[in-house]
Amino acid sequence: DVVMTQSPLSLPVTLGQPASISCRSSQSLVYSDGNTYLNWFQQRPGQSPRRLIYQVSKRDSGVPERFSGSGSGTDFTLKISRVEAEDVGVYYCMQGTHWPPTFGQGTKLEIK
Amino acid sequence: EVQLLESGGGLVQPGESLRLSCGASGFTFSSHAMSWVRQAPGEGLEWVSGISGSGDSTYYADSVKGRFTISRDNPKNTLYLQMNSLRAEDAAIYHCAKQSRAAAGNPFGLQAWGQGTLVTVSS
Repeated sequence: DVVMTQSPLSLPVTLGQPASISCRSSQSLVYSDGNTYLNWFQQRPGQSPRRLIYQVSKRDSGVPERFSGSGSGTDFTLKISRVEAEDVGVYYCMQGTHWPPTFGQGTKLEIK
Repeated sequence: EVQLLESGGGLVQPGESLRLSCGASGFTFSSHAMSWVRQAPGEGLEWVSGISGSGDSTYYADSVKGRFTISRDNPKNTLYLQMNSLRAEDAAIYHCAKQSRAAAGNPFGLQAWGQGTLVTVSS
């Protein structure tokens, strides 16, 4: 199975400051159709996961513009330009290129 | 608005069975593959099983193959997970999730999740 490795696992951030989460895969996530199936999910405390980003950098409807995804091959990043209180939670990357789909361990974002 | 509502969780002893259900609304159910993803207490996410929009194709994680069976009833907009021979390591919150396409295999994408139902396996 493809191993997804996130860092850091804990991310204390001051309100209004940027935040960045790294996700690395053990194999390239480029699919045979040329697309890269790397997603980012946010799980707020007590809630179910919500998809923020799909195919590396496409933002889901309703997701604030302060969230952005980038990367290629095996190296991906989720950035929050200015952290707000509602961003507290755990963030997961997930690959859907190789079978079975696999998730990163999660990064817990908290306010300093 | 997409809504997914799981039910059927509970406390069972090792070796027993449980059937989870997931009622869907807000989208054309038969046009989307569906999956079950679980989250052990304090742990990360693990994909468990998936089924195509038509129900013809099913997929399982190695950890549950031969013990769990996924199915769907499209006229009733409902997804199921029959869990047999439950083990302590199966204890988790089970989320149903809507996939991006009708086909269940890769490339794989999850668009929306339900709140989940808690399965506890303990003697």
